[in-house]
Amino acid sequence: AIRMTQSPSSLSASTGDRVTITCRASQGISSYLAWYQQKPGKAPKLLIYAASTLQSGVPSRFSGSGSGTDFTLTISCLQSEDFATYYCQQYYSYLTFGGGTKVEIK
Amino acid sequence: EVQLVQSGAEVKKPGESLKISCKGSGYSFTSYWIGWVRQMPGKGLEWMGIIYPGDSDTRYSPSFQGQVTISADKSISTAYLQWSSLKASDTAMYYCAREVPAANCFDYWGQGTLVTVSS
Repeated sequence: AIRMTQSPSSLSASTGDRVTITCRASQGISSYLAWYQQKPGKAPKLLIYAASTLQSGVPSRFSGSGSGTDFTLTISCLQSEDFATYYCQQYYSYLTFGGGTKVEIK
Repeated sequence: EVQLVQSGAEVKKPGESLKISCKGSGYSFTSYWIGWVRQMPGKGLEWMGIIYPGDSDTRYSPSFQGQVTISADKSISTAYLQWSSLKASDTAMYYCAREVPAANCFDYWGQGTLVTVSS
């Protein structure tokens, strides 16, 4: 099974900061990677798929990059509504999620 | 408007059976894969399996194969997740979600069904 490792597991940031979250796959997954945002008590929300394709309606401050084994999610200018937990998910072979990165207020 | 509406919270005892549901609306239910995702209390997301309601083709995560059954009734646009014998470790929030065509990720999610298994 392909394992997805996210780092960091949590981070503290301020509104306006640029935030980068990384996701590493245990083997190459081409660009078969998605990113989700989840707020407490809510279902996850799809942000990006195919590593860098922004889902309809998602603000352009979110961007994704990478291919193979190493991927990043970047929030260019953190807004108050962006404090949440973020998950990566590979869909190259079956589906597996990363462990999550909690973005907290500094 | 695409919607996935899940059945309500359940409290069960170990050994009991359970079937939870996910009703789709606002789109062609038979044309999109529906997946199930588990989230244990305070933990991350785990993919359980998917079903294509058009022909009931079903795929399971190896971690959940044999532990649950996924099914669908296309006549009422509803997918199901069921257990024959619950364990305390099945206590979790369960989400259904619709797959993005040609990309095995999920664009629309149900609100979640909380299953609590306790003696």
